[in-house]
Amino acid sequence: GAVVSQHPSWVICKSGTSVKIECRSLDFQATTMFWYRQFPKQSLMLMATSNEGSKATYEQGVEKDKFLINHASLTLSTLTVTSAHPEDSSFYICSAIESVPQAFFGQGTRLTVV
Amino acid sequence: DAKTTQPPSMDCAEGRAANLPCNHSTISGNEYVYWYRQIHSQGPQYIIHGLKNNETNEMASLIITEDRKSSTLILPHATLRDTAVYYCIVRVGPSGATNKLIFGTGTLLAVQP
Repeated sequence: GAVVSQHPSWVICKSGTSVKIECRSLDFQATTMFWYRQFPKQSLMLMATSNEGSKATYEQGVEKDKFLINHASLTLSTLTVTSAHPEDSSFYICSAIESVPQAFFGQGTRLTVV
Repeated sequence: DAKTTQPPSMDCAEGRAANLPCNHSTISGNEYVYWYRQIHSQGPQYIIHGLKNNETNEMASLIITEDRKSSTLILPHATLRDTAVYYCIVRVGPSGATNKLIFGTGTLLAVQP
């Protein structure tokens, strides 16, 4: 199946700094990618839909100035957590849809803000 | 998209069939049933999807009731590596590439040795 790769797999950063997470579709082009956040023992929560060449669409309650999304090419979307705080510590997961109906997910990025 | 209801957890003996139920009583005629699973600390993995006919692939079988208000995912011979949270999702699809997947709480399947 198609492969979606996230980088880094885990990151520790200091409070107040910004962190960028990359999501790449390795063997297909994805005009749309999705970003999710997952807290321990909870389900995945959709944060935003990333569209190539246009602004991302954020879900209700997600701060667009806090979570900057850039989808500059058909194979790369980035999520930047700006001015990170401990409450932003979470598991961030991206997904992309190829021409076939199933969505493919990255392996996730564990963010810890200290 | 229609909401789904799944039991929070289930146990299954290794080598036996695991039958995971899902209720989606408000499903619309153009909504598909998708199943994904998430092994601990990994991204979700696609399993199978269907509209109204039963489906089978190398991973599992999907049985959808005639009224489409519920479905069952069947893992024919569960192994320890099948221990995961299984998510049943309904959404309009599959041709719309912008259709987003909204995850519910899922079922934690624990396969016992």
